[in-house]
Amino acid sequence: EAGVAQSPRYKIIEKRQSVAFWCNPISGHATLYWYQQILGQGPKLLIQFQNNGVVDDSQLPKDRFSAERLKGVDSTLKIQPAKLEDSAVYLCASRPAGGELFFGEGSRLTVL
Amino acid sequence: DQQVKQNSPSLSVQEGRISILNCDYTNSMFDYFLWYKKYPAEGPTFLISISSIKDKNEDGRFTVFLNKSAKHLSLHIVPSQPGDSAVYFCAASRGSGNTGKLIFGQGTTLQVKP
Repeated sequence: EAGVAQSPRYKIIEKRQSVAFWCNPISGHATLYWYQQILGQGPKLLIQFQNNGVVDDSQLPKDRFSAERLKGVDSTLKIQPAKLEDSAVYLCASRPAGGELFFGEGSRLTVL
Repeated sequence: DQQVKQNSPSLSVQEGRISILNCDYTNSMFDYFLWYKKYPAEGPTFLISISSIKDKNEDGRFTVFLNKSAKHLSLHIVPSQPGDSAVYFCAASRGSGNTGKLIFGQGTTLQVKP
């Protein structure tokens, strides 16, 4: 079974530039999550989708972050404009009904 | 507001001995707790979980203990192996079993020395 796929693995940008991350969850997993993990901290939930609907985006900085999952499968997380404090690993996870979270390898963002 | 805390950033143990990783939480509404393991350059992987109706759950070398009155859980690894060297995150959720929003601790880096 293929795991959660994320790209790109690494991205370096200047502050105020934009960046987008892509996630393809495990086939059949209706729930998809984006987490932000800053160095030395645990993952923090940014947004949760159930199919193509948003369940929780209370911790998403909506002035600069956006996410979509238009067809209920893959998802894109965008940051525009990026700030220095956005440097982190962005983890995508998916979950089958009644099961545990499966994480992707993450996309490491460095903002200079 | 750190609702889930892992106060030990790192732990070093000898191969074959017991590893004990600790986690404290502040929200009494949490009813489901999990441990995740993370190797460098990989995403976290699920290790073991426990519901608040239990005080112990065991899976092979891994046992999680829950003390609700103290709002404390611990992960025991016996015997520890070099391949267990990783970052361990505890996580908690409330209200929906394992379907709720997970709140993670900061992580503890375990090093098992041969």
